[in-house]
Amino acid sequence: EPEVTQTPSHQVTQMGQEVILRCVPISNHLYFYWYRQILGQKVEFLVSFYNNEISEKSEIFDDQFSVERPDGSNFTLKIRSTKLEDSAMYFCASSPTRGGEKLFFGSGTQLSVL
Amino acid sequence: AQTVTQSQPEMSVQEAETVTLSCTYDTSESDYYLFWYKQPPSRQMILVIRQEAYKQQNATENRFSVNFQKAAKSFSLKISDSQLGDAAMYFCAYRSGDSGGGADGLTFGKGTHLIIQP
Repeated sequence: EPEVTQTPSHQVTQMGQEVILRCVPISNHLYFYWYRQILGQKVEFLVSFYNNEISEKSEIFDDQFSVERPDGSNFTLKIRSTKLEDSAMYFCASSPTRGGEKLFFGSGTQLSVL
Repeated sequence: AQTVTQSQPEMSVQEAETVTLSCTYDTSESDYYLFWYKQPPSRQMILVIRQEAYKQQNATENRFSVNFQKAAKSFSLKISDSQLGDAAMYFCAYRSGDSGGGADGLTFGKGTHLIIQP
């Protein structure tokens, strides 16, 4: 079965630094998502992306966050100036449709901000 | 906006017994999907089972089955013959159908931590 691939699996950074989390969605999918999960808490929606633009974003997704699909295969999440509270597992997901049957998740990137 | 509620933060069951995890949701849509995801300590999100709202028949996947009560907006997960490998966080999730006008992506509940006692 095709997979969503995320790199790196772990990322450690200093507060105030920029980080880029990378994802390769499934090749024929059109909708892309980032979710995050702070340890011990529920999975929270950050942003959805379609047709090279953001289609929805949550309150969490403030000006420090941005997403990009630079080359037609990668889908990236950038955090401009990391804060301690950005420490979380970040999941990328993709889907062939906007709604419906299934979202395919990557295995996540654990971000630790020191 | 859709909401998903899991009222059991933690459940415990003896190995080989049956356990039911509760989930309720709130929506005004008629076209939607419901899911149960398992998250083991590795933290990967693993799809356990899914249910289309337009189907009356409850979904079943081996030892996992759901009790979907559309009018009550309830979607519980039953795990039969519990195994040690079932120990994990279980998240209930909602997604609008492709024709729906609701939120994009998935809305998750807070999760239920399932403990399997040997």
